[in-house]
Amino acid sequence: AQRVTQPEKLLSVFKGAPVELKCNYSYSGSPELFWYVQYSRQRLQLLLRHISRESIKGFTADLNKGETSFHLKKPFAQEEDSAMYYCALSGRNTGNQFYFGTGTSLTVIP
Amino acid sequence: DTGVSQNPRHKITKRGQNVTFRCDPISEHNRLYWYRQTLGQGPEFLTYFQNEAQLEKSRLLSDRFSAERPKGSFSTLEIQRTEQGDSAMYLCASSYDRQGYTFGSGTRLTVV
Repeated sequence: AQRVTQPEKLLSVFKGAPVELKCNYSYSGSPELFWYVQYSRQRLQLLLRHISRESIKGFTADLNKGETSFHLKKPFAQEEDSAMYYCALSGRNTGNQFYFGTGTSLTVIP
Repeated sequence: DTGVSQNPRHKITKRGQNVTFRCDPISEHNRLYWYRQTLGQGPEFLTYFQNEAQLEKSRLLSDRFSAERPKGSFSTLEIQRTEQGDSAMYLCASSYDRQGYTFGSGTRLTVV
């Protein structure tokens, strides 16, 4: 069965410190993985997707099929990174729906 | 085009009443999705339209729920005989084919 696990509900880091938001998934086949972000009082928005291999707002994420992980990383956290982050999975076996994790609330302490 | 628009933003209704929400997707997007999000959870899939055809429905979508997308443009989600467990944020998203979603701001439903 498809599943996305974000083990940390809350994560706090100091400004300038590295940050890693964990995402593990369960999927048979080749998944597409995404990170979505929701800033305070704003809508969910796409941050990045693994197939584009981009760095958005300094964030990167690498798909590790061996560990079935797609952790989101940033070397130096900024206060404006404080938000709710959701990992999501899609693929041929999921039909047309995305499976979302329960989210991690990141707080960057000034 | 200002993105995906959802109305109303908030809806408070009494248990047993019917409610209807509207979603206007990005005009070029052929796919439209409804998700539901409760406190502490990620969005959960409800249903999916490709153009005007409803192609997938989740088991979460009981027979009290119905969704339409006439003419492949806007969509409505109706909940009949609302229950307190229906209280949630209802999210609409659209996409062009299997590219990443663009979400609306959601409709927050409170059933009292």
